[in-house]
Amino acid sequence: QKEVEQNSGPLSVPEGAIASLNCTYSDRVSQSFFWYRQYSGKSPELIMSIYSNGDKEDGRFTAQLNKASQYVSLLIRDSQPSDSATYLCAVRNSGNTPLVFGKGTRLSVIA
Amino acid sequence: KAGVTQTPRYLIKTRGQQVTLSCSPISGHRSVSWYQQTPGQGLQFLFEYFSETQRNKGNFPGRFSGRQFSNSRSEMNVSTLELGDSALYLCASSRTSGSRETQYFGPGTRLLVL
Repeated sequence: QKEVEQNSGPLSVPEGAIASLNCTYSDRVSQSFFWYRQYSGKSPELIMSIYSNGDKEDGRFTAQLNKASQYVSLLIRDSQPSDSATYLCAVRNSGNTPLVFGKGTRLSVIA
Repeated sequence: KAGVTQTPRYLIKTRGQQVTLSCSPISGHRSVSWYQQTPGQGLQFLFEYFSETQRNKGNFPGRFSGRQFSNSRSEMNVSTLELGDSALYLCASSRTSGSRETQYFGPGTRLLVL
């Protein structure tokens, strides 16, 4: 059973701080990793994808992947109240296999 | 480029009825995946269609079925509705097959079964 684990939160951070969201996965052969943001009542929106070990930066967002330790994280710099949402980690094994989602971490940025 | 569209957006049904949900993928996307999202279970994969063929199937009962048409539009059907089928049903489309395939979600259909 392939699993993706996330702390459900809520994770509360003050405005302007760095929010750190973590995700671990069980399938060692996983190849593709995604972070989605979901606002309450809305559908998931893709933020980042990462495929290789290391960091990938996009604006205020940085995804970090460590395949040896089987974790992927998302850092949000200069957090804003508008970043308050649930963040979903998704992992794909290989080829045409379906995405496996974690249950999400709820982030609350306090003004 | 228009995003993924889903119809209807909201639906109320009663137990025992059946329902059909529709999804139009982003132009050029040939893969369509369906998910059920509930507060307790999170996002659960239902099935995926690629070029009119079911490519993957999740662990849902046979009451849940789907199909894809030649224009890549997809429908999913749930027969004999149960109260537990109340959920947000999400469709996601993607362009290419392979490990770097990225899924984009539609707005979802919120189904309430009474």
